[in-house]
Parts: sequence; C-alpha cells; structure tokens
Amino acid sequence: DGGITQSPKYLFRKEGQNVTLSCEQNLNHDAMYWYRQDPGQGLRLIYYSQIVNDFQKGDIAEGYSVSREKKESFPLTVTSAQKNPTAFYLCASRQSAVYSNQPQHFGDGTRLSIL
Amino acid sequence: AQSVTQLGSHVSVSEGALVLLRCNYSSSVPPYLFWYVQYPNQGLQLLLKYTSAATLVKGINGFEAEFKKSETSFHLTKPSAHMSDAAEYFCAVSDLEAAGNKLTFGGGTRVLVKP
Repeated sequence: DGGITQSPKYLFRKEGQNVTLSCEQNLNHDAMYWYRQDPGQGLRLIYYSQIVNDFQKGDIAEGYSVSREKKESFPLTVTSAQKNPTAFYLCASRQSAVYSNQPQHFGDGTRLSIL
Repeated sequence: AQSVTQLGSHVSVSEGALVLLRCNYSSSVPPYLFWYVQYPNQGLQLLLKYTSAATLVKGINGFEAEFKKSETSFHLTKPSAHMSDAAEYFCAVSDLEAAGNKLTFGGGTRVLVKP
C-alpha cells in the first residue's frame, strides 16, 4: 500500500546535537510538508517543497533545515539552534503542488524529546 | 492570511448522542475546507473535504459537514457518537491567497465519549 513513512517514531536529542527526521513517500506526490505539533496549538508549518531541489520556509522555519534531493524523500534536520525542539513532528504530502482542492496525506509522526 | 477557529478545545459527549464540532474560517473567497481526525500518537486522517460541489459533504465513519458561506462555517457532525470517535479533530482551510497552496489548521477539538 502507498503511504508516508516517518522514522524513527521516537527520538531523543542531547543539548547541542543536530538530529534528522526521515520522511519517505511512495505515493508519487509532488509536494511535501513538515509540521510541528504542540499540545493545544494545532499544526504549524515548518517547511514545504513543491518540487525536487526546491523548498520554502513555512511559519516557524528557524532552527530547522530540509533537503529535497529525491521526489520521495524530504528529511528534516532539527539543529542545535532550535531552542525548544520537544514536539511531535508530522510529515505530509499532496499529489499536486498546484491544485489546492487536494487533501494532504500524513505520516504517523516522530516524537522528539530532549534528554 | 487565512485563519481557522475551532470553538471549544474539548468536547464531551455521551455514547449515542450527537457530535457537533464547530469550525469557522476567515476568507473573502470561498476556500477549500477539510476535516481531519487524529488518534493518539498517530498522524492525521482525512474525514471529508469541501471543494465547491455540494454544500453538505459526507465523510468516513458516519461524519458529515455543511459548508455555509453566509456564516463562514464548516461544522462537523455525527448523529450518534461511538466510543471509537474519541480522538482530536482538526479543521483546515486551503490558503488560496498564499504561495504553495498551504493548509491553515485550527487549534483542534479533543472529543471525549462517555459510556
């Protein structure tokens, strides 16, 4: 079955470390997104990519970086500059970057905690 | 920029009772609207979407929503709650006025179902 795979499901980071969250999709979708979810705050967009080798900052990009070298992969790096990284991170994809009537499809998330 | 307001961060219903979750959006142009459900430690699953066809939209698991342009609302209902409906629900709108066809999410409503 097609879908979005996020790994790992749980991740722990020490202070000053960079960590990378994986997101892979086999839906052949053009657009991919990273969200951060905190209790009571809904989802906030970190970065998004509409095409390979291109990506744009979302609403809370500071302290994060991404790459989109392959259509199916959109890894997120949480850098040491992100002062409050503890959160639930969700990756999503959409078939087309153009048609906004299409829904986004979500992975099962990665929960990041600081040791 | 678009905004989405979900009235009530927590809703408690008895099993068999009506479920009503409220969603209001701000937009000068009728947008595309979505309802998602999230179970603990999982990603978001699409319940239904409004894309300018019928104003009453039926989704999965017995849920439906009605788009009311005059009230800028897209409330979600289910006639009879089941224990398995206990989850968090998010309303989202496609931001037609922003680059990247991004989704703007409401803050979510957590539903508790009492036996």
